[in-house]
Amino acid sequence: EADIYQTPRYLVIGTGKKITLECSQTMGHDKMYWYQQDPGMELHLIHYSYGVNSTEKGDLSSESTVSRIRTEHFPLTLESARPSHTSQYLCASSWTNTGELFFGEGSRLTVL
Amino acid sequence: AQKVTQAQTEISVVEKEDVTLDCVYETRDTTYYLFWYKQPPSGELVFLIRRNSFDEQNEISGRYSWNFQKSTSSFNFTITASQVVDSAVYFCALSEAHGQAGTALIFGKGTTLSVSS
Repeated sequence: EADIYQTPRYLVIGTGKKITLECSQTMGHDKMYWYQQDPGMELHLIHYSYGVNSTEKGDLSSESTVSRIRTEHFPLTLESARPSHTSQYLCASSWTNTGELFFGEGSRLTVL
Repeated sequence: AQKVTQAQTEISVVEKEDVTLDCVYETRDTTYYLFWYKQPPSGELVFLIRRNSFDEQNEISGRYSWNFQKSTSSFNFTITASQVVDSAVYFCALSEAHGQAGTALIFGKGTTLSVSS
C-alpha cells in the first residue's frame, strides 16, 4: 500500500481565498507530481519535481505554484482561488520517471 | 510528442462477460513505458501494470490480461469474467525514457467500465 497522503480531502472555499493543498510521502521518492482531473475526465500534469529545490510546470498551464523544500513534502498553492479552479488535484510520487506512480487519494476543491 | 488514445469512452457489460479496453499510443522514442491504472468511485488511482517497449510478451494476472503490440502501437487490456467490483474508470498511460531523464506519465482520457449484476 502506498504511503502518500493528501490533505484536505475536500475543500469548499470562496473566490479570492488563498489555499494550500498538502502532499506528503514517506517512501523517500525523489520524483513528485501534481495532476489535475475534472470529474470523469483525463488527468493533466500541472507540476512536477525531480528533487529538493527542483520544480517544473507540466503540460497543462496552471495558476498554482508548488515548492519542494523537503523530499517528502510537495505542497500546491493557489494565491487567489477562482471557480475555474474547481477540480480534483491528485498528488503522486515515484522512484523514477518511468516507474510506477503512487497516488494519493486526491483533494477535491470547490471554489464558489 | 507523446499521446495516448482511449477511443472507448464508456463500456457497459453484464457480470461474467469478457471485456477489452483499447489503448493506442504515439511516441517517437524507441524506449518507453506503458501503464494501466484503475480509478474506482473512491477516486484513488490504483496501479495495474507497467510494460517496457522491449517486452512484447503478453501478461496475465488472474482475470486481467494485457496484449502489447508494437506493430499497431496498442496496449489493450482484457478483463475475463467481469465482476461488479471491476466497475471503474481505467486509464492507459505512457512515459518516454529520454535517456536517463525520462518523462512524466501522460494519460489517456480513460474508459468508464460499468459492470451490472
